[in-house]
Amino acid sequence: DSGVTQTPKHLITATGQRVTLRCSPRSGDLSVYWYQQSLDQGLQFLIQYYNGEERAKGNILERFSAQQFPDLHSELNLSSLELGDSALYFCASSVGGTARDTEAFFGQGTRLTVV
Amino acid sequence: LAKTTQPISMDSYEGQEVNITCSHNNIATNDYITWYQQFPSQGPRFIIQGYKTKVTNEVASLFIPADRKSSTLSLPRVSLSDTAVYYCLVGEIEAAGNKLTFGGGTRVLVKP
Repeated sequence: DSGVTQTPKHLITATGQRVTLRCSPRSGDLSVYWYQQSLDQGLQFLIQYYNGEERAKGNILERFSAQQFPDLHSELNLSSLELGDSALYFCASSVGGTARDTEAFFGQGTRLTVV
Repeated sequence: LAKTTQPISMDSYEGQEVNITCSHNNIATNDYITWYQQFPSQGPRFIIQGYKTKVTNEVASLFIPADRKSSTLSLPRVSLSDTAVYYCLVGEIEAAGNKLTFGGGTRVLVKP
């Protein structure tokens, strides 16, 4: 158990819908990362938050947004869903937010299926 | 931007040592090298991190030559449960964040 909790574990929804994925980081970790993993794309970095503020951005679509709340949990919002958004979405957390601090702990992921 | 290159796959047998080399020719002075392990449908798990020379922990060793343009993850006496994808990451320094970017990884298959 990494200490990172993601909910829900599975999600099935229809195209055009909107969903919210939730992540609770390990106790004491200030940094949260979101990743998308599909069969043909590998692990794609989406976005990083550190202590409530956006710190780094990857290939995150405009239809996707995220935030980190004062209690440090984070949510990833996916809207206008398309079939191609079906993937495993991972959240990770680490103590800090620098390149030295690359020991991140990953949750078990949310498997999103868009039908 | 430090790009990493590692073999796509490797096969080994139980009890053998597995060495995976990662190339990162454009590594920056402040970059650290980190390795992760991922089993199917699970999140990646941190294995080891280093800056230079050799680092060893209870599961692996990491060898980094003086020029730091490559690194080698060594897994001693592998077992079937070590079958996984192994990722080499080089920390990306940005003004205020860390992208923690994963490359393609090396798929290691341990055979009986």
